[in-house]
Amino acid sequence: GESVGLHLPTLSVQEGDNSIINCAYSNSASDYFIWYKQESGKGPQFIIDIRSNMDKRQGQRVTVLLNKTVKHLSLQIAATQPGDSAVYFCAENNRGGGSQGNLIFGKGTKLSVKP
Amino acid sequence: ETGVTQSPTHLIKTRGQQVTLRCSSQSGHNTVSWYQQALGQGPQFIFQYYREEENGRGNFPPRFSGLQFPNYSSELNVNALELDDSALYLCASSPRGGTLETQYFGPGTRLLVL
Repeated sequence: GESVGLHLPTLSVQEGDNSIINCAYSNSASDYFIWYKQESGKGPQFIIDIRSNMDKRQGQRVTVLLNKTVKHLSLQIAATQPGDSAVYFCAENNRGGGSQGNLIFGKGTKLSVKP
Repeated sequence: ETGVTQSPTHLIKTRGQQVTLRCSSQSGHNTVSWYQQALGQGPQFIFQYYREEENGRGNFPPRFSGLQFPNYSSELNVNALELDDSALYLCASSPRGGTLETQYFGPGTRLLVL
C-alpha cells in the first residue's frame, strides 16, 4: 500500500490568505521529499523539495517543513493566488525497497482559491 | 533547455489491443521513469530506465514493458489492454537516476480503453 498520505483531501482558502497542506509518510528510511502541483490535464510540476537532513526549506512564496519525529511534511503557500488552485501531491523516495529510484505519491489535496 | 515531452497526448484503444507510448527526456537527463495515474489518485510507479537498462520496477504485470534508447528517450508498451489500464501515463526524467534527485514530469498521455 501507499506509505504517503494526506490529511485533507480538499482545502478551500480565500485569495491572499496563507495555505497549509499536510502530508504523512510511514517510511522512516525516506530521506528525500518533493511537493508537486498538478493542474487539470497537466503533468505534476515540481514546487520544492527537502532532504531529511533539513527541517525547513523556503522557496518563492512556498515553505516546506519536515518533522521526522512524527513523519510529517507540510507545504505552506503564502498569499495564495487563484493560479495556485490545483491538486498538490507530496512524494517520498523509495528507500530500501526492491524498486530503487522511484517516488511514492499520496492521493493529493485539492486546493481551491476563492477570489 | 527542452522539458520532458510525451506522445501522443490522447489515445483510445479497445480491450486486448496493444499500445506504445513515447517519451523524450529533459536535455541532460539520462534516466526516465514511468508512472500510471488513475483518475483521482496519485501517480503509481511502473518502472525506471537508466542507461538503457531497467533500474527498478513497481507492482505492474509483465505485459507492461519498456525500452530506453541511446538518446535516452523511452517507450512504454502495454499488451493485452484491460479496461483498468485507462489512466494518465506520465513520464519523468532525472539527471542520473539517483534517489536524491528531483524527477521532472511530462504532460502525460491520456489512455482510454473501451
